[in-house]
Amino acid sequence: RKEVEQDPGPFNVPEGATVAFNCTYSNSASQSFFWYRQDCRKEPKLLMSVYSSGNEDGRFTAQLNRASQYISLLIRDSKLSDSATYLCVVNFNAGGTSYGKLTFGQGTILTVHP
Amino acid sequence: EPEVTQTPSHQVTQMGQEVILRCVPISNHLYFYWYRQILGQKVEFLVSFYNNEISEKSEIFDDQFSVERPDGSNFTLKIRSTKLEDSAMYFCASREPPGVTGETQYFGPGTRLLVL
Repeated sequence: RKEVEQDPGPFNVPEGATVAFNCTYSNSASQSFFWYRQDCRKEPKLLMSVYSSGNEDGRFTAQLNRASQYISLLIRDSKLSDSATYLCVVNFNAGGTSYGKLTFGQGTILTVHP
Repeated sequence: EPEVTQTPSHQVTQMGQEVILRCVPISNHLYFYWYRQILGQKVEFLVSFYNNEISEKSEIFDDQFSVERPDGSNFTLKIRSTKLEDSAMYFCASREPPGVTGETQYFGPGTRLLVL
């Protein structure tokens, strides 16, 4: 089983649509969770951290279910500028030995069209 | 806003040659990382560096790779004898000190390495 697994995508949605991405992780010792965004041939940029209580940042909502080892990202009212690859990222911390190593999912490509 | 910088942006080299990729992390950060991304594949962890020593490394980071923080500012990745399969985008990242706002890692723009 892959350490971090995401929806294969690609997602192709019209402006204004709501789109949801899912991600599962294999290591129950995982400590921190993030969604990063990556534009073509650019570096990953933090979109938001994901907390157990769920968190929202404008049009973006992230949820974490530790029991199911599942993370989600919801984008409401999609904009053309949301077109990018969305990376599910996990910091595994087995026994407190991790120094912040991030494990990335393969990414899900989102294209928002007019 | 402070940012991680990397040089060069592109590097073309012959197989078997040594390359050094350079990074300047954000100034008050204490943890430094190198990741790589082969074209079309996911971002992969190579190595983490803290307190002037390697704290963790992946199986990719073999004896051909080394890291150094020579002057308290730069953070370098050296590949001693490049192979074709080393062709990738190499990202440097740095992380805020513990207890600031969490464990956010900030990535540099990357160096695209092409080994011929």
